[in-house]
Amino acid sequence: GENVEQHPSTLSVQEGDSAVIKCTYSDSASNYFPWYKQELGKGPQLIIDIRSNVGEKKDQRIAVTLNKTAKHFSLHITETQPEDSAVYFCAAIRDSGGYNKLIFGAGTRLAVHP
Amino acid sequence: GAVVSQHPSRVICKSGTSVKIECRSLDFQATTMFWYRQFPKQSLMLMATSNEGSKATYEQGVEKDKFLINHASLTLSTLTVTSAHPEDSSFYICSSDRHAFGSGTRLTVV
Repeated sequence: GENVEQHPSTLSVQEGDSAVIKCTYSDSASNYFPWYKQELGKGPQLIIDIRSNVGEKKDQRIAVTLNKTAKHFSLHITETQPEDSAVYFCAAIRDSGGYNKLIFGAGTRLAVHP
Repeated sequence: GAVVSQHPSRVICKSGTSVKIECRSLDFQATTMFWYRQFPKQSLMLMATSNEGSKATYEQGVEKDKFLINHASLTLSTLTVTSAHPEDSSFYICSSDRHAFGSGTRLTVV
């Protein structure tokens, strides 16, 4: 089955700096890779996703890159702000059109200091 | 976009009692709901997949008699923690798909 590893487990940056979180996956058949932001006491919120036919996707200060050959994908947050502080989870899934199970990484606790 | 409403957000119950958590899809019909459990500072662990009108599919190691799932309609799925013990204390989250997660339920068993 699929296994997703996520690094680092914690990340501390100064406001305005960039933050990068990396994930690797094991199942080469996985073709959809979402990223979630979870604030304390709340459910996860989808912030960006990428499919295997795309190498990079950007949405304002957030970008995701995917390297299918190496089976890893990364989340990039530029110009970080204190409100970016949260736990971020990557996930992978083999999206065959049905309701398949998301496999989550262990999470990265991001702290952005003013 | 799809919205999932989860209630209650917090619940405290005594050991031995049962607690029901509800998840409703507000603006769409959800034939499938996923139920997760999350311990502090850990990732989401899938417990079971509920399917409208049929039995839920439980992940390995999850007691189906303890965590009862009902998905009687296309807009409502419920998770009942039966005979709760302190070790059942956790954060429970439902999801209709990869985009729509509930806000979570913090269960504390005393």
